[in-house]
Amino acid sequence: RKEVEQDPGPFNVPEGATVAFNCTYSNSASQSFFWYRQDCRKEPKLLMSVYSSGNEDGRFTAQLNRASQYISLLIRDSKLSDSATYLCVVSHMNYGGSQGNLIFGKGTKLSVKP
Amino acid sequence: DVKVTQSSRYLVKRTGEKVFLECVQDMDHENMFWYRQDPGLGLRLIYFSYDVKMKEKGDIPEGYSVSREKKERFSLILESASTNQTSMYLCASSKLPTHFPNEQFFGPGTRLTVL
Repeated sequence: RKEVEQDPGPFNVPEGATVAFNCTYSNSASQSFFWYRQDCRKEPKLLMSVYSSGNEDGRFTAQLNRASQYISLLIRDSKLSDSATYLCVVSHMNYGGSQGNLIFGKGTKLSVKP
Repeated sequence: DVKVTQSSRYLVKRTGEKVFLECVQDMDHENMFWYRQDPGLGLRLIYFSYDVKMKEKGDIPEGYSVSREKKERFSLILESASTNQTSMYLCASSKLPTHFPNEQFFGPGTRLTVL
């Protein structure tokens, strides 16, 4: 089983739609959770961290369910500029040589159409 | 602004050549990473380093080596390039995880083609 699994998509949605991405992780020792965004032919960039209580940043809402080992990202009122690949990322805070390592999902591609 | 730079955006090499990919970061980050990204496989960690002269194998280190002689510079070396090493190579850096979150900052990537 892959450590971080995502639906690869593509998700094709019209402008203004609400879209949700889901992600599951297999290691219950995972401690930090993130969503990264990667535009076509660009490098990944941090979109938002995911906190246990859930968190919101404008049109973006991230949720974490530790019991189900499940992370979600909700995008409301989609814009054309939201078109990108969204990477689900987890981290184990193992001390020693692997400090700061992130485990990336393969990403979910979103295409927002006019 | 954090900046991670990579020596080349595009590189074409021949099978058997020795290839050097250079990465430099300007934010005094302790951790540096090399990934490769392939369609359908996502980002895979090749090597990482959490201090000068320190290196650790990632998930797919075979066929690669690394060098970290200075804190700001992390080099990826393909001793004898092969066609299956054709890929997008991404360098990243981050601070030690003394606080949450532990964001990694990526360079623009080097698209390497091995003929």
